[in-house]
Amino acid sequence: KQEVTQIPAALSVPEGENLVLNCSFTDSAIYNLQWFRQDPGKGLTSLLLIQSSQREQTSGRLNASLDKSSGRSTLYIAASQPGDSATYLCAGFSSNTGKLIFGQGTTLQVKP
Amino acid sequence: ETGVTQSPTHLIKTRGQQVTLRCSSQSGHNTVSWYQQALGQGPQFIFQYYREEENGRGNFPPRFSGLQFPNYSSELNVNALELDDSALYLCASSGKAPGQGGEKLFFGSGTQLSVL
Repeated sequence: KQEVTQIPAALSVPEGENLVLNCSFTDSAIYNLQWFRQDPGKGLTSLLLIQSSQREQTSGRLNASLDKSSGRSTLYIAASQPGDSATYLCAGFSSNTGKLIFGQGTTLQVKP
Repeated sequence: ETGVTQSPTHLIKTRGQQVTLRCSSQSGHNTVSWYQQALGQGPQFIFQYYREEENGRGNFPPRFSGLQFPNYSSELNVNALELDDSALYLCASSGKAPGQGGEKLFFGSGTQLSVL
């Protein structure tokens, strides 16, 4: 069974801190990995997509990396702001099953 | 804004009833996927439609069914609702055919379904 695990489940940091969210997956056939943001009761907003041939992607203060050999991805958020408070979900696209498999998310709170 | 719209935004039903949720995909996107997200959990894949045909299904019973129309909009139907069906139902569209890889999914805001 393919699984995607996110650690930690929740994180609270003061404004301005740099932080790392972790995602691990068991399916070696993960083709690409996508990070999403979800605000309470809302849908998902795509943040970054890393293709299997890539090692990282950057967008503004966000940087995501992918290491298929170790089955890990990280989302780095620089200089965190209160507006970054949300749940962050990683999802791997499995070429075995042809579907997107989500982790349970990390709920981030950035305190002013 | 992702260009994916879902309706209704909220819905309350009673156990045993049937429900239809709707999704309009982003313009030009011919692949639609549906996900169920229980409170505090990550979304779970229900099924995917490509050019009006089901193309992949998750671990959901047959009372979960769907349709995709020629304009690529989609419906999710759930029969004989159970209390555990209470969740946020998300629709996502993609402009690539399934299995091509590299799909970036665009999600709607979801329909919050409560079954009493």
